[in-house]
Amino acid sequence: GAVVSQHPSWVICKSGTSVKIECRSLDFQATTMFWYRQFPKQSLMLMATSNEGSKATYEQGVEKDKFLINHASLTLSTLTVTSAHPEDSSFYICSATGQHQNYGYTFGSGTRLTVV
Amino acid sequence: GIQVEQSPPDLILQEGANSTLRCNFSDSVNNLQWFHQNPWGQLINLFYIPSGTKQNGRLSATTVATERYSLLYISSSQTTDSGVYFCAVGPGGYQKVTFGTGTKLQVIP
Repeated sequence: GAVVSQHPSWVICKSGTSVKIECRSLDFQATTMFWYRQFPKQSLMLMATSNEGSKATYEQGVEKDKFLINHASLTLSTLTVTSAHPEDSSFYICSATGQHQNYGYTFGSGTRLTVV
Repeated sequence: GIQVEQSPPDLILQEGANSTLRCNFSDSVNNLQWFHQNPWGQLINLFYIPSGTKQNGRLSATTVATERYSLLYISSSQTTDSGVYFCAVGPGGYQKVTFGTGTKLQVIP
């Protein structure tokens, strides 16, 4: 089946620094990748949609200058949280879809970000 | 946008019991998936089921697209079934999906 690898699983960073999260599709070409954010005890909220080679489309209320998304290849998308602050602490999850439509969307294992 | 409601929001089961989780959605969809989020946050894809019925071991799912709902059945529940179950729906293709509100399941020994 389709596999998506997300790294790191958890990260702690100091306020003001930037953090990069990687999402890789291991055995299929991910035409489209999605980035979600999940607050404790809540559902997943879509942050942005990225298509390979194009600029990401951000959901309303998501700061694109703060959450930089790059989808430079069909197997890799990155989310960079710039100048992180404690309120950016959250669980971030990526998902990918592509030619394997019968699998639906495959999700990475998530990254727990803590900003101190 | 599409609205997705899940019920019940919380469920406590004795080990061995059966349960039915429901997902209602407000518009027609071509993509519907059920996920299990384990205590570590990982989302496990259970079913891709925009219509029809599928079974995988103790789990099965049915989607009645014309009536805009899907059901997830868990039989002979085990403690490892604990976690949050989400349905996610969307128009298909490469378009985004919307997650439901989730059902938190706790299976006690």
